[in-house]
Order: sequence, then structure tokens, then C-alpha cells
Amino acid sequence: GENVEQHPSTLSVQEGDSAVIKCTYSDSASNYFPWYKQELGKGPQLIIDIRSNVGEKKDQRIAVTLNKTAKHFSLHITETQPEDSAVYFCAASSAGTSYGKLTFGQGTILTVHP
Amino acid sequence: DAGVIQSPRHEVTEMGQEVTLRCKPISGHNSLFWYRQTMMRGLELLIYFNNNVPIDDSGMPEDRFSAKMPNASFSTLKIQPSEPRDSAVYFCASRGQGPGELFFGEGSRLTVL
Repeated sequence: GENVEQHPSTLSVQEGDSAVIKCTYSDSASNYFPWYKQELGKGPQLIIDIRSNVGEKKDQRIAVTLNKTAKHFSLHITETQPEDSAVYFCAASSAGTSYGKLTFGQGTILTVHP
Repeated sequence: DAGVIQSPRHEVTEMGQEVTLRCKPISGHNSLFWYRQTMMRGLELLIYFNNNVPIDDSGMPEDRFSAKMPNASFSTLKIQPSEPRDSAVYFCASRGQGPGELFFGEGSRLTVL
């Protein structure tokens, strides 16, 4: 099955700096790569996703890049703000079924210091 | 529109007791997923349903765990008997057709003493 590795496990930045979180996946058939943000006491919430037919996608301060050859994808947050502090999860979809089962990375605790 | 609704939000029980967690997916969604979250193992997929049919239960830890989806608007995850190592936050999530956004509930935090 799919295996997703995520780094770093913790990330501390100053407000206004950029933050980068990286993930690798094992199943070359995976074709859907979402990123979720989880705030304390809540369920994960989708912030951005990318499909295998594109290499980069941006949404305001958030961008995701995908390198299918190397089987890795990254989340970039620019101009970080204290409210960006949360746990971030990458995931990959096992394309072997039509139901898109997601496998999650271990998560990155992002802390943005004011 | 209401999101995914889970109950109870918190459950404290003693080892050996039966635990039932409940989930109401978003109306119109045809896939439902049960995840377990712990510090050690992160987010683990336990089981998922498509059109009320269990598709993959390979993540269910052992026979003490069972899940049902009797109709499109309700699912349960049952643990019988419960053990302290089952303590975790259990999330239910639903999704519409095809790979795409999973909508998570707020989770059920289970503590087994």
C-alpha cells in the first residue's frame, strides 16, 4: 500500500517568514495530493490540493509543488501569521481504487511566533 | 449546510466496556471514512464505506472493532470490549463522488481507563 513520509515533524518560524513542509510518497500510481490543517480540538480541514497533471498550484499565501518523478510534494506558506499555527498533514490518494483512499503523513506542528 | 456530525465528543469508560461512536455524514456524500488519531501513529484509516458498503476494513485493529453503515446518513464504530490502548481521537469524514476533499467531523475523544 501507499506510504507517506512527512518532514519536519515540528517547525518554528517568526511571523512574516516562509514555512516549507515536505512529503514523499511510495505509490507511483497515486494522483491526488491534498494538504490538511488541523487546529486544536478540531478535525483536519483541507487547505489546498494538487493533482498529478500539474506541477504547482497557488492560493494566496499557500502554494503546493509536485515532482512526480521524484515522488515528492511540498507545501509553501509565505508571510506566515500567528493564525497559521496548527498541525499540517499531507496525504496521497491510492489511485488503485476508484474511491480515492487517502494515506496521511505523520503531521508537522507549525508554530508562528509573533 | 451542517458538516459531519459526530457523537459523543468525549467518552470516558472503563476497560472491558462497550463503546459506540456515531457519525452523520454530509447529506449527498456517498463515501464515509473512520480514522483514528494518536500521537504515536498519527491519522490511521480504520475503514471506509462507499454507498453504504464497506470497501476496505484492513485498518481495523482487531475483532474488537466493528463498523456499520445501515443507511446513507448514519454510521457507527463499535469497540467491544474496550482496552486502554484504544484511547484516541476517532474521526469520521465524508466525501462526494471520486477523489477530492474529505470533510472531517470534530472527532470523538475516547479515554479507556
